[in-house]
Parts: sequence; structure tokens; C-alpha cells
Amino acid sequence: QVQLVQSGAEVKKPGASLKVSCKASGYTFTGHYIHWVRQAPGQGLEWLGWLNPNTGGTHYAQTFQGWVTMTRDTSISTAYMDVGRLRSDDTAIYFCAREFRVGVYDVFFDLWGQGTLVTVSS
Amino acid sequence: QSVLTQPPSVSGAPGQRVAISCTGSSSNIGAGSDVHWYQQLPGTAPKVLIFGNNNRPSGVPDRFSGSKSGTSASLAITGLQPEDEADYYCQSYDNSLSERVFGGGTKLTVL
Repeated sequence: QVQLVQSGAEVKKPGASLKVSCKASGYTFTGHYIHWVRQAPGQGLEWLGWLNPNTGGTHYAQTFQGWVTMTRDTSISTAYMDVGRLRSDDTAIYFCAREFRVGVYDVFFDLWGQGTLVTVSS
Repeated sequence: QSVLTQPPSVSGAPGQRVAISCTGSSSNIGAGSDVHWYQQLPGTAPKVLIFGNNNRPSGVPDRFSGSKSGTSASLAITGLQPEDEADYYCQSYDNSLSERVFGGGTKLTVL
């Protein structure tokens, strides 16, 4: 079954760090980039960046550079997103999503994880 | 503010047609970047409805269609059904930011 399964919900205190996992199954993990997107409560979707599972290469949205780190472990087909120094406004659902490429720069997200709710509260 | 602008809400009665706009600029839609549309039902992850401006993945009803012109794109839904009530997002690539960008989302209410 083709799917992305994310780690469970987290509650963190302000200033803490966080690691979310995204395990791929049913397809070749190294064949598609993985993107991370977040959604604050009642808000829209916000793109954080992408990871190339084949090379480990990454590209982050300017807003999140220096705050997020994306890595992978190809032996277990799992992508990770590390974030540090959490604040209350980082409370959101964090999604991983598989990229489907339709052009040099044109990609869409054809497979999504179920989302990981991260609550930042003192 | 989102790089792509969508109306916050639209509504229509069952059976009617609605359209949701997505307005960008010369650095994204106007530069030729494709527009993709997602549907997000409450409490679930987004699901792609339209990719590459006007292509439907298998399983998506032909009631959903997409178009693009200039710096804008549009998602049309005909024959509205109660289960279409959801949030809809457009997505594209911005070449000045070198980032994937989303619209702010549009909540569709089926009256």
C-alpha cells in the first residue's frame, strides 16, 4: 500500500526542539522528493521545504532557514524534520508530502502523510 | 499574506456551479508556473484535485475543472454536492522566492 505514515502528536514547551518522522511504503523512497507543509489551527497551508531522499539534498523556505533541518534514513525509507526553539505560534499540524514532478520546476503533492499535531505550550 | 490570493469563502446551492479564483503575479502563475488545486476535508490531509492547471487525477469527478490565464487560475465545480463542502487551495512555484507557494485557501459552503 502506497502511503506516508507520520509520527504521533507532540506537546512541547516553548524553546524545545522537535523531530517528526515520515515513513514511506509501497514505492521507491529515493524516487520522489519529500516536502514538508504545516497548517496552523484554522489557517492555510505553509510550505517549509523539500528533501531529496536520494542525495540528502535540501531546500528550505526563506522563512524557515536556520530553524528547520530535513534528513532521511534510506535504510528504513523514512524522512525526518527537525525544528528547534519552538514558539507558541509554531503550534500546527505538520504534513509530509510526496512530490510528483510535471516540469522542471512544476511539482505537485500526490501523496500526503496523515499529519502530526504539534502543540507548543508552557 | 499568501503569495497567491484566493477568496476566503464561496457558497452555492446543490446542483449549482461555483468558481474559485487564484491570483498570482509575474513571478509565479504569470511566469508560466503550473497551478495545482487541493481539496481538504475537515480533519484530513489535502488531496490533489487538479494538477498542471487542468488535469484531473484518476478518481476525481469531471465536475471539477481547472483553467489558467495570465496571472490567475480558477477552479470550477459544477453540479455542487454536499460532500464538496471543504477548503480548497491553489499551489504553484514562485521563481523569485524559489519556493512552492500556496493560496490562503477558500472555504466552500454548500447551502
